[in-house]
Amino acid sequence: QVQLVQSGAEVIKPGASVKVSCKTSGYIFTNYGISWVRQGPGQGLEWMGWISPNSGDTNYPQKFQDRITLTTDTVTTTAYMELRSLRSDDTAVYYCARAMLGDTFDHWGHGTLVAVSS
Amino acid sequence: QSALTQPPSASGSPGQSVTISCTGTSSDVGGYNFVSWYQQYPGKAPKLIIYEVSQRPSGVPDRFSGSKSGNTASLTVSGLQAEDEADYYCSSYAGPKSCVFGTGTKVTVL
Repeated sequence: QVQLVQSGAEVIKPGASVKVSCKTSGYIFTNYGISWVRQGPGQGLEWMGWISPNSGDTNYPQKFQDRITLTTDTVTTTAYMELRSLRSDDTAVYYCARAMLGDTFDHWGHGTLVAVSS
Repeated sequence: QSALTQPPSASGSPGQSVTISCTGTSSDVGGYNFVSWYQQYPGKAPKLIIYEVSQRPSGVPDRFSGSKSGNTASLTVSGLQAEDEADYYCSSYAGPKSCVFGTGTKVTVL
């Protein structure tokens, strides 16, 4: 079955970076995109970007363009999200999701809590 | 890209129907037939329940249905059950560099 298993919770100091991993299994990794979505405490869902494991192409919304890097490793079928220059309002649960056509996210990771605190 | 507008809350008694709206613009909901709906329980990851406006993934009960008219999409839950009490989010494709989610609706089963 399709699974996306994310790395564990992190506590990060303001101004530092975090890199979250998303290990996939149960499907052909290069046949689907991976998107990242975050959810602040008590907040809604926010799309952070998309990557094609097949080509390495990425799409980022303007809000995160300067601070985010999405990568994949096709050997280990793992996706990564790096977010830099963290601020307190980046405290959120970060999800990876398998992306079908039209930004339909049919399978999700369990989420990784990133807490930004001094 | 602004978030799609959903009512903050909706409620119904068991067996009743509840409909949640999701209003966007011609650049997102109205421009593409790629509207999805997600169900989320507290502390859990979202689950896809409707995609491409009205398609249900395998395993999703047919009590859940989706539709779209102009810039507004809707999710209807018929025959409401206690387990349907959750948060619901819509999302829409909005071009290659833009996917937008709705503000979310908390459904309460009375």
